[in-house]
Amino acid sequence: DQQVKQNSPSLSVQEGRISILNCDYTNSMFDYFLWYKKYPAEGPTFLISISSIKDKNEDGRFTVFLNKSAKHLSLHIVPSQPGDSAVYFCAAFNYGQNFVFGPGTRLSVLP
Amino acid sequence: KAGVTQTPRYLIKTRGQQVTLSCSPISGHRSVSWYQQTPGQGLQFLFEYFSETQRNKGNFPGRFSGRQFSNSRSEMNVSTLELGDSALYLCASSFTGGDYGYTFGSGTRLTVV
Repeated sequence: DQQVKQNSPSLSVQEGRISILNCDYTNSMFDYFLWYKKYPAEGPTFLISISSIKDKNEDGRFTVFLNKSAKHLSLHIVPSQPGDSAVYFCAAFNYGQNFVFGPGTRLSVLP
Repeated sequence: KAGVTQTPRYLIKTRGQQVTLSCSPISGHRSVSWYQQTPGQGLQFLFEYFSETQRNKGNFPGRFSGRQFSNSRSEMNVSTLELGDSALYLCASSFTGGDYGYTFGSGTRLTVV
C-alpha cells in the first residue's frame, strides 16, 4: 500500500501559466514533506520542503501548500517555464524514519 | 565541493550474475542511503548506512545487500540478478541522515538481460 501518492502521472501546462502538482499521504505520523525535481539521467534535486506545523512555504516561483486534515500537499509553480519540465517527486518522513517517495509526476511545460 | 559520485553510470548484466555498485558521498557526510527507481514505482528505499552500520532497511529481498567503509564510501551488491532488477539505482548522502537536504548522485542504470 502506497503511503505517498501522486495520482497524476503526467501534467502539461503552457509556459507562463501555473503548474499545480498534487500529493496525498496516508500516514498521519509524517511531519516533514519535500518536493524533489528530477531530470532524465540525473539524480533528484531538492526543491522545497514544509514542516507539518506550517501550511505554506514559498521560495521564489515555488510554493508548497499543506492541508494536514486532508493529508494533502501541493506544489505550485508560477509562472511555469520550459526548464521546469521534469519529474517531480513528493516525499514524506517522520524523524527516525527514512523517506517515503511518491511515484512522481512528469511535468511538461509547453512553449 | 564534489557531489555524490556513483560508479559505474551504466551496466548491463545477464540473469543470474551479481553486480556491485559504488557510491562516494560528499566529504563529511556519514549517511548513505540507496534507492531503486523503476518506471511508475518512484523511488523505493533499499537501505541506509551510517558510520559503517546498516541503520535502516527497506522491503527488498536478501539478494540486495550493502556495506559502508570507514571513509563513508558505500557499495551495494545484488546477487542472482533478475530481469526485474533493471532500474536506476540512486544513492544519497547527508550529514546524519533522517533530515532534509539529501544530495543524490546521478545514479547507476542497471540493465539485466
